Amino acid sequence: AQTVTQSQPEMSVQEAETVTLSCTYDTSESDYYLFWYKQPPSRQMILVIRQEAYKQQNATENRFSVNFQKAAKSFSLKISDSQLGDAAMYFCAYRSASDSWGKLQFGAGTQVVVTP
Amino acid sequence: GAVVSQHPSRVICKSGTSVKIECRSLDFQATTMFWYRQFPKQSLMLMATSNEGSKATYEQGVEKDKFLINHASLTLSTLTVTSAHPEDSSFYICSAALVGGGNQPQHFGDGTRLSIL
Repeated sequence: AQTVTQSQPEMSVQEAETVTLSCTYDTSESDYYLFWYKQPPSRQMILVIRQEAYKQQNATENRFSVNFQKAAKSFSLKISDSQLGDAAMYFCAYRSASDSWGKLQFGAGTQVVVTP
Repeated sequence: GAVVSQHPSRVICKSGTSVKIECRSLDFQATTMFWYRQFPKQSLMLMATSNEGSKATYEQGVEKDKFLINHASLTLSTLTVTSAHPEDSSFYICSAALVGGGNQPQHFGDGTRLSIL
């Protein structure tokens, strides 16, 4: 079974600065998908960014970008120009391409605190 | 697009009551829906996978007689917590996956906060 590890329970960043959240995963598969979800205090789960394992190019969505290192099984999220609205719990998730149901395996989460 | 509506958002009821939570995909068809439980400051724990027209598949340790799941159509799945007790108090979230899967992400409802007195 795949496992997803987020080793940072909490990260603090000042407004306008950059923060990087780490995520590693364990899998023997070569084809899979990776996601970062954001859960603000409202507890709504919001998709931040996704990456297909077969793509070498790192995904980018505005101020959010990933550093996908397939060989190292690492999928970090960089938040640039941090804003107060970025304060939330961030979950890394893995999805096997061979799973027809598309089940997600979540990491434990990293709480991002943004200070003015 | 890809909106999932979950209702109710908050339930407070007495011990022994059965509670039904609905999860609807509003603008897309979802052959598969997922039900999660989340404790404070913890990650999402998958309870079951719900497929339209068939029995749900429960994760290990989840009581299927306690948590009844019905997926009657491509846009609606329901979770019924039967004879709820205080230990069932939690945050429950559903999600839906687009037909075809692939790299499509799961889309989540806003969750239901269940409090059993």
